[in-house]
Amino acid sequence: EVQLVESGGGLVQPGGSLRLSCAASGFTFSSSWMHWVRQAPGKGLVWVSRIKTDGTTTYYADSVKGRFTISRDNAKNTLYLQMSSLRGEDTAVYYCVRAEVTGTGMVNVGYWGQGTLVTVSS
Amino acid sequence: QTVVTQEPSLTVSPGGTVTLTCASSTGAVTSDYHPNWFQQQPGQAPRALIYSTSNRQSWTPARFSGSLLGGKAALTLSGVQPEDEADYYCLLYYRAAQLWVFGGGTKLTVL
Repeated sequence: EVQLVESGGGLVQPGGSLRLSCAASGFTFSSSWMHWVRQAPGKGLVWVSRIKTDGTTTYYADSVKGRFTISRDNAKNTLYLQMSSLRGEDTAVYYCVRAEVTGTGMVNVGYWGQGTLVTVSS
Repeated sequence: QTVVTQEPSLTVSPGGTVTLTCASSTGAVTSDYHPNWFQQQPGQAPRALIYSTSNRQSWTPARFSGSLLGGKAALTLSGVQPEDEADYYCLLYYRAAQLWVFGGGTKLTVL
């Protein structure tokens, strides 16, 4: 069974930093692109970042570029999101998401964690 | 800035059929955008329904189907059940920019 379990959320002051973790199990983590997606309270889903299977390639939404860093440890089956220079608008539930490219080239964004809440406030 | 647009809200009667759409500000949505669809119940994490336009997840009921319709990605629910009342989101992949973009979501009411 695929499981994605996020941790590390909490209350942080504006300008502060926080590191989120996502523990993965039930699939070959090192073969999967991984994403972070966030959802502000009462708002829609927003894609944040993704990372290649081996960690060598990363992409970011413009809203977090230069402030957030995605990384992974394939030996520990863990995905990370280092967040710095946090702002009020970063307040959201952050979801860890697995994306799979199938043998026929289709893209399946199939599995989501339960999310971890980050609150940026003084 | 790339924008993906969905109907903000739709209402359907139990047993009826409804189609949700997903449009791109850059032009017609094709299979190259690998449209994915998600359902989110209140207070829960999103759940994947459809990937790469029309492929159901193993847990997705057959009454959910995905397609391309008039230059948009579409999600059709046939024989709607009360438990289908939820928010639905589409996700498109913009290969050239290496970005993923969600639609704003559709709130589906079953009434």
